[in-house]
Amino acid sequence: QKEVEQNSGPLSVPEGAIASLNCTYSDRGSQSFFWYRQYSGKSPELIMFIYSNGDKEDGRFTAQLNKASQYVSLLIRDSQPSDSATYLCAVNVGGSQGNLIFGKGTKLSVKP
Amino acid sequence: KAGVTQTPRYLIKTRGQQVTLSCSPISGHRSVSWYQQTPGQGLQFLFEYFSETQRNKGNFPGRFSGRQFSNSRSEMNVSTLELGDSALYLCASSLAGTLSSGNTIYFGEGSWLTVV
Repeated sequence: QKEVEQNSGPLSVPEGAIASLNCTYSDRGSQSFFWYRQYSGKSPELIMFIYSNGDKEDGRFTAQLNKASQYVSLLIRDSQPSDSATYLCAVNVGGSQGNLIFGKGTKLSVKP
Repeated sequence: KAGVTQTPRYLIKTRGQQVTLSCSPISGHRSVSWYQQTPGQGLQFLFEYFSETQRNKGNFPGRFSGRQFSNSRSEMNVSTLELGDSALYLCASSLAGTLSSGNTIYFGEGSWLTVV
């Protein structure tokens, strides 16, 4: 059973702080990794994707991948109240793009 | 550029009925995937279509089916609805058929199904 695990939270951080979201996955054959943000009542929107070990930065967001530890994380710098949402980690284990395994998400709350 | 369009957005059905949901992918996208999202199980993969062929299927009963048309539009059908089928059904589209750097899936707004 291929699984993606995330802490459900809620994770609460003050405005301006760094929020750190973590995700582990079970399938060593996993090839690509995604972070989606989902606001309440809305559909998931893509924030970051990462394929190679190491860090990938995009604005205030940094994705980190460690395939040896089967671990992927998302850092949000200078957190804003508008970042308050559920963050979903997703993994593609190979083959076609459309088949992603999602974690159940971590709820982030950024307090003003 | 228009995003992924799903219809209807909200619907209420009775147990035992069947339902058909529709999805129009982003222009130029040929792959369409369907997901079910519930509070308890999270987002779960239903199936994926590419060039009118089902390429992958998740662990759902045969009551859940889908198809894709030549214009890449897709429909999914759920027959003999059960209360547990109440969920947000999300359609996602992607550009290419295989994994490559920079390609991923983009979700529509979803169809909220309530079974009573």
